[in-house]
Parts: sequence; C-alpha cells; structure tokens
Amino acid sequence: GEDVEQSLFLSVREGDSSVINCTYTDSSSTYLYWYKQEPGAGLQLLTYIFSNMDMKQDQRLTVLLNKKDKHLSLRIADTQTGDSAIYFCAGYNNDMRFGAGTRLTVKP
Amino acid sequence: ETGVTQSPTHLIKTRGQQVTLRCSSQSGHNTVSWYQQALGQGPQFIFQYYREEENGRGNFPPRFSGLQFPNYSSELNVNALELDDSALYLCASSFGRVDTEAFFGQGTRLTVV
Repeated sequence: GEDVEQSLFLSVREGDSSVINCTYTDSSSTYLYWYKQEPGAGLQLLTYIFSNMDMKQDQRLTVLLNKKDKHLSLRIADTQTGDSAIYFCAGYNNDMRFGAGTRLTVKP
Repeated sequence: ETGVTQSPTHLIKTRGQQVTLRCSSQSGHNTVSWYQQALGQGPQFIFQYYREEENGRGNFPPRFSGLQFPNYSSELNVNALELDDSALYLCASSFGRVDTEAFFGQGTRLTVV
C-alpha cells in the first residue's frame, strides 16, 4: 500500500470547519507536514508537527497527531472560499513522502 | 512568494530527447530537493543535494541526474525522455539536510510527446 493515504475529496460550506485526514505507515517519520497546492502552483508549506507532539495550533489551523494510530489531521476553522485547494500530507524520514492529496472545495 | 524560482515554467520535448530543468534556491538555503508530480498524484522524491553532493535518492532510474552549484542553485537532467516523464517537476530548498521547512518553487511543467 501507499506510505501516506488521504481521502481524495472534501466539500464544506463557507464558515464551517474542515477536517482533512491522513494515515501514514512509516512510524519513523520524524516530522509530519501539511502543504497546500492551488491550481498551476507549487506547494505552500502550511504547518508541520514534530513526531513527539500531539497537537499544534497556528491561527485557523489545528494539527492533531495520533502516533499510535499513525493518523494525522488538519482542521481549518472558519473555512473560506480562498481555502479551496489540494492539501497534501507528508512524512519525513530521510526523504519526504507525500499522499495523493485531498481536494477541498468550499461552497459559498 | 517563497524565493525559490524554477525555469522554464513550461516545456515540450519529444520522446528520446534530453532536458535540463533549473532551480534557484531561497537565499541562505544550502539544500535542494527535486520531486516529480504526475497529474492527480502527490509529489514523488527524486533526489536531494546538500552542499553540492547528492544526499539521498528516490526510486528513479539513473537517467535522472542532478547537480548543485557553489551558489546552491541546482539542475535536474533527464536523458532519453519517455512519455511517462510528463509531469510537474518541483524543487524545494531548505537549510540543512532535514527538510524541516522546505519551500517549493512553482514547478516546471514538462510534456513529452
């Protein structure tokens, strides 16, 4: 199976919270990341969490890490139409392994 | 704006040709990593250069090669292009071997016909 798995699509209404989930297989990952990619653009680093942490909050973004279940999530509070993009989860252990991305659609 | 620039932005090549893609890293960064992103997929790690030496390689054949220069800019070379090499090629720069905060360029869209 894939090293990093994500659901492919998520649709929410503007103002709601979005939760994007990710599972990974490599328990040796030292850092776990969330990147955002808008159409035709490169990847924008949103946030990252060290593997010995279980939560990190940065303004509207909250990252939760369940190391036992190898589950990572990204919560976006008060989702806006500008948040519509593809979100990638990635784990780092000597090299970066990305999931296939979750396409977030925010409806007005 | 990350400060990482890639050139060219788009490129069309014929099967069997060779291509060179370029990446200028963010000021102060000494590490460059290259990724291949096929349509609808996440980026796949090609290799990383740290202080002009290869520092890790993904599952790509030897016809994918690279260089890093003293100013830490980098090139990705692909020989004997195949149709499946069509993808977005991304470079990311960081300070140090661990990509704690790696910043990506906009990518080069390569189409092989």
